[in-house]
Formats: sequence, C-alpha cells, structure tokens
Amino acid sequence: GQQVMQIPQYQHVQEGEDFTTYCNSSTTLSNIQWYKQRPGGHPVFLIQLVKSGEVKKQKRLTFQFGEAKKNSSLHITATQTTDVGTYFCAGHQGAQKLVFGQGTRLTINP
Amino acid sequence: GAGVSQSPSNKVTEKGKDVELRCDPISGHTALYWYRQSLGQGLEFLIYFQGNSAPDKSGLPSDRFSAERTGGSVSTLTIQRTQQEDSAVYLCASSRDAYEQYFGPGTRLTVT
Repeated sequence: GQQVMQIPQYQHVQEGEDFTTYCNSSTTLSNIQWYKQRPGGHPVFLIQLVKSGEVKKQKRLTFQFGEAKKNSSLHITATQTTDVGTYFCAGHQGAQKLVFGQGTRLTINP
Repeated sequence: GAGVSQSPSNKVTEKGKDVELRCDPISGHTALYWYRQSLGQGLEFLIYFQGNSAPDKSGLPSDRFSAERTGGSVSTLTIQRTQQEDSAVYLCASSRDAYEQYFGPGTRLTVT
C-alpha cells in the first residue's frame, strides 16, 4: 500500500536558523498536504499542493512539490519560537485515503 | 461555523471495560477518519469512512476495535475489553473528499 516517509524525525535548531523537513512517497500522489501540530494541540492544515513542481509560500514557510509528484518539502526561514511543533505531510493517491507521514518534531532554542 | 467535535474530551476507564468515543464531523463532509496518537508519536490511522462506501478498516489494531458512522454523519469508535496499551489520544478528522482534513480536539483515553 501507499507509504509516506518523512525525515528527519526530530530537529532542534537555534532561533533564527532555518529548518527543512522532507516527505517521500512510494507512489505518485495526486496532492500533498502539510499540517502543523502544536504541543498539546491537534493537527491544523497549512497548505495543499497539487501541481508537479509547485512552490507555495506562506510568510517564512516555503512548500515544494516534486516534479514526479512523489516528494515534497517544507522549509522555514529564520525560525521563531512560535514555529515549535510537529509538522506532518500527508498525501492522496487518487481517490484513496489520505496517508500521513510520521511527522518531524521541531524544537527551538531561544 | 462549528468545527469537528469529539466527546468525551477525557475518559478514564478500568482495564477490561468497554468505551465509546464519539465524533461529530463538519456538516457536509463526506470523509471521516479516526486516528490514534500516543504521547510524542505520530498519527496512527485506524479507520476511514467515505460517503456510502464500505469503510477502510485496515488500521484497526485488533478485533476489539470497531467503528460505525450513522447516516453519513456522527461516528462512534468502540473499544471493547480495554487494555492499558489502548491509552492514547483518539483523534477524529473530517474532510470534503480529497480536500484538507479538519481535526477535532481529541479524546484522551486512560486505561488504568
């Protein structure tokens, strides 16, 4: 079945440093979604990418969808303490269920 | 508008008892998912309902777990003969087809 792998599992950075998490699927995806879960909270949708090679930005966050639609990345520029949390990617393969990666937990040293 | 709601927010039960967890999805959302999340861990998929199709039960960890969705709306996750390893946060999410998922606040289950 479809698998979505996400790396790294954990990342600790100094405030102001950049952060990147990577997502890879075993199969071609129809779309990729990114979610953020703050400590003690529930996952909240950030963005969806649909097109091959698509790049979207939200302030300091840059999301990319690979040309083959099998990988994606989330890059945060100049991290702030408010960026702390776990970032999940999730992909749809056609009409099948959404499959989540294992998440990357980001901690930040102020 | 109202988001996804779950009840109870917290449940403490004795080992061996049955529990029922409820999820009220956003009105009109055809897809409903149940996940389990242990402390500091990722999202463990349990079951997926899509419209009138047969549910995808491939994530249910044992036959003690079951779920139903009545009238395409409210869903109940039932855990029979609870075990201590069932302790976790159970999250429900709903979506319109392949669009973004909206998560409920979760039910924290503690089995003593």
